[in-house]
Amino acid sequence: DAMVIQNPRYQVTQFGKPVTLSCSQTLNHNVMYWYQQKSSQAPKLLFHYYDKDFNNEADTPDNFQSRRPNTSFCFLDIRSPGLGDAAMYLCATSRAGYMNTEAFFGQGTRLTVV
Amino acid sequence: GQSLEQPSEVTAVEGAIVQINCTYQTSGFYGLSWYQQHDGGAPTFLSYNALDGLEETGRFSSFLSRSDSYGYLLLQELQMKDSASYFCAVSPRGNTDKLIFGTGTRLQVFP
Repeated sequence: DAMVIQNPRYQVTQFGKPVTLSCSQTLNHNVMYWYQQKSSQAPKLLFHYYDKDFNNEADTPDNFQSRRPNTSFCFLDIRSPGLGDAAMYLCATSRAGYMNTEAFFGQGTRLTVV
Repeated sequence: GQSLEQPSEVTAVEGAIVQINCTYQTSGFYGLSWYQQHDGGAPTFLSYNALDGLEETGRFSSFLSRSDSYGYLLLQELQMKDSASYFCAVSPRGNTDKLIFGTGTRLQVFP
């Protein structure tokens, strides 16, 4: 009964080769997030969606883009991965609203850039 | 903007009590959450304080004082499995759907 599923768990890509990470959810939550987490650091918010409304963090590089074709799925596209983009990428969901108290995370995709 | 600061590392022994602090500078938020993350795993929700005061959930308690811009997570009867990273997090007022994490505290529990 997995609720937030990320594929693949591990992804190796070549420097400069576009890569797409995927996330799906069975919770029917309005909000979906993408975080980047480097070793021994906190998750850093890249984007979030409220339904199809896209919200980009000011310091998210242009190299990162996202798509949410429907409620259940969300994708993170890295157009030209650099060595500095190697990290764990976490997808999360939550219900919308000021009483939003809990985010549910997928197991993450660990991206290696070679 | 939001800034949530935590100590980078805390150590303790099994059976002890440990407090992990979160001090913040933020323009306003609706509540303070705490998440646990084991090495290689995903963050999992522990607790949420909408109001000032103490919230208790089993061995874990969380506290918030908005007047002091301060919160903490209290872990009692520590077990080896509590060794993990702990993050405080907020959803900023005016943008309730964002979730911003603190700097994180790595807790190591020793036998």
